[in-house]
Amino acid sequence: DAGVIQSPRHEVTEMGQEVTLRCKPISGHNSLFWYRQTMMRGLELLIYFNNNVPIDDSGMPEDRFSAKMPNASFSTLKIQPSEPRDSAVYFCASSLMGEQFFGPGTRLTVL
Amino acid sequence: DQQVKQNSPSLSVQEGRISILNCDYTNSMFDYFLWYKKYPAEGPTFLISISSIKDKNEDGRFTVFLNKSAKHLSLHIVPSQPGDSAVYFCAASSPGTYKYIFGTGTRLKVLA
Repeated sequence: DAGVIQSPRHEVTEMGQEVTLRCKPISGHNSLFWYRQTMMRGLELLIYFNNNVPIDDSGMPEDRFSAKMPNASFSTLKIQPSEPRDSAVYFCASSLMGEQFFGPGTRLTVL
Repeated sequence: DQQVKQNSPSLSVQEGRISILNCDYTNSMFDYFLWYKKYPAEGPTFLISISSIKDKNEDGRFTVFLNKSAKHLSLHIVPSQPGDSAVYFCAASSPGTYKYIFGTGTRLKVLA
């Protein structure tokens, strides 16, 4: 199994630009999670889906952040417009009623 | 408000000695606790977990202890090896949810 796949691995953009992060969960998993890692706050849960339906988006910091899961094999996290304080590593994880498996992350730098 | 706290950002231990990583939580509803390990440029990977009905769970060199009255858990690594050098995150979840609340992590460095 390829594990959770995230793209791109690195993204550098300018303030005000739209950023889209992509995730392919492990086949057969029914829950998908988006996290953000920063030095100050560690791993923060932004949103999670169960069976493609958003269950809890209380961690989404602002309306500039949005996430979709159009089908069981794909999810996106979009930031529009991006700001320098959004710079962080963003992880996607998937699970099947238990242990969460993480992707390698996308390192986002907003200049 | 951090519901899961790892107050030591870093820890250095000699190879062969015991590493003890600590984690405190505030939410008494948490009933499942986990430790994840993260190497640079990789995603976190699951290490060990414990249910609130237990106070200890052991897996090889790794043991997790849970003290519910103190709302504290710890991860013991014995003996520590250089390959254990990584960032360790503790996490907790409440009944009926697959949502994990993570701490800020502790960077462990095992010195050869």
